[in-house]
Amino acid sequence: AQSVTQLGSHVSVSEGALVLLRCNYSSSVPPYLFWYVQYPNQGLQLLLKYTSAATLVKGINGFEAEFKKSETSFHLTKPSAHMSDAAEYFCAVSDLGNDMRFGAGTRLTVKP
Amino acid sequence: GAVVSQHPSWVICKSGTSVKIECRSLDFQATTMFWYRQFPKQSLMLMATSNEGSKATYEQGVEKDKFLINHASLTLSTLTVTSAHPEDSSFYICSAREALQSSYNEQFFGPGTRLTVL
Repeated sequence: AQSVTQLGSHVSVSEGALVLLRCNYSSSVPPYLFWYVQYPNQGLQLLLKYTSAATLVKGINGFEAEFKKSETSFHLTKPSAHMSDAAEYFCAVSDLGNDMRFGAGTRLTVKP
Repeated sequence: GAVVSQHPSWVICKSGTSVKIECRSLDFQATTMFWYRQFPKQSLMLMATSNEGSKATYEQGVEKDKFLINHASLTLSTLTVTSAHPEDSSFYICSAREALQSSYNEQFFGPGTRLTVL
């Protein structure tokens, strides 16, 4: 069965600094990978998704992620953090025939 | 884009009463809808998967008689928490999968419903 592991339940960066949120996946077949953001008391908003096309995926709000099969990773990055990026971020994996599974989440804090 | 709504956004009820939460896909037909539960500072836990016109499939450990799910149309699924107790207090999120996107298994999420049982 597929699964994802998010390294670091809490990441803190300064405004303007690089954001790096880590996600490693496990899947026996080619995976589809997703990053979602959740603001307090809200649902999940899709940031970006990898569906076996380009390995470097660009999403909304300046985020991007790179699919690295050799490392089974799909880390989320943003060159310059903004205060509005403070939220909970979830990595998720699915594949043909299997529903989506979520990581434990990473809380991003942005310091002024 | 695909929009999913939930109603109500928050509800407070007395212990022993039942609460119904609606999940609607507003601009697409959802052949499959999912119900998740999220505890504070935790990830989403899949409770059940429902296909339009079929009985829901519940995850292990989720009481089907406690959490009644109905998916009577391609745009509406409901979750009824029966005889609610304080331990049922949680944030409930639904999602919907559009048939055309099903090859990616992408889900579109509702805004969530905060349930508080007194």
